[in-house]
Amino acid sequence: EAEVAQSPRYKITEKSQAVAFWCDPISGHATLYWYRQILGQGPELLVQFQDESVVDDSQLPKDRFSAERLKGVDSTLKIQPAELGDSAMYLCASSFTSGGARETQYFGPGTRLLVL
Amino acid sequence: AQKITQTQPGMFVQEKEAVTLDCTYDTSDQSYGLFWYKQPSSGEMIFLIYQGSYDEQNATEGRYSLNFQKARKSANLVISASQLGDSAMYFCAMREGSQGGSEKLVFGKGTKLTVNP
Repeated sequence: EAEVAQSPRYKITEKSQAVAFWCDPISGHATLYWYRQILGQGPELLVQFQDESVVDDSQLPKDRFSAERLKGVDSTLKIQPAELGDSAMYLCASSFTSGGARETQYFGPGTRLLVL
Repeated sequence: AQKITQTQPGMFVQEKEAVTLDCTYDTSDQSYGLFWYKQPSSGEMIFLIYQGSYDEQNATEGRYSLNFQKARKSANLVISASQLGDSAMYFCAMREGSQGGSEKLVFGKGTKLTVNP
C-alpha cells in the first residue's frame, strides 16, 4: 500500500540551530501539504504545493521557515533558526489532485520536533 | 471564527459498545467536504471517512459511519462495536471546495477516545 514517507521521525535540537524535514508523497500525487500540530491541537496548514509551485504559504513564518519542492515530487521544510515555540509535530500530506472538496489527503507518520 | 468545533475533549466507551463523537462546522460555501481522521499515540493521521456536502446518503466505512445533518451543520462520527485499538485522538476536518486555490483542511481540536475492556 502506498504511503507518505517522512524523515526523521524524531528530532531534538537546540534553539538557534537549523533543522530540516523531508517528505516523499504517494507516487503520482501532485499536491503536497505541510502541517504543524502543536500538542493538544489539530494540525494547521503551513504550506501547500501543486507540483513544484506554492499555492498557499500564508501561514508559513517566512522569516525562519522555508519549503521547497524542486522537481514536484519530494519536499523539504526547513527552520532556521529554530525557536522554543517551534516544538511540535510536523505532518506532511499528499493528494492526487487539488480537485475541490472531495479530494482526500493522506498523511505521513510525522516528525516530532523538540527544541531545547 | 472557529470553523470546526469538537465539544468533547474526552470520551470513554466500553469495548463492543457504540460511541458517537460530535462535530459541528461553520461555512458559507455550498460545496465542502467533511473528513474524520484517527491519530493514535504514534502520531500518524489515518483517514477514516468522508462526507460531501451534496451527498444524499450518510457515509459508511466498515464500523465507521457519519451522521450528517446538513441543516444543523453537524457531522458526527459513529463507531460501532468499539475495539481496544480504537483508543486514539479523533479529528473532524473540513475542506471548502475552492478551485485552483488553497484547499487546506481545517481541523477541530480533537476528541480523545478511550475504549475500556
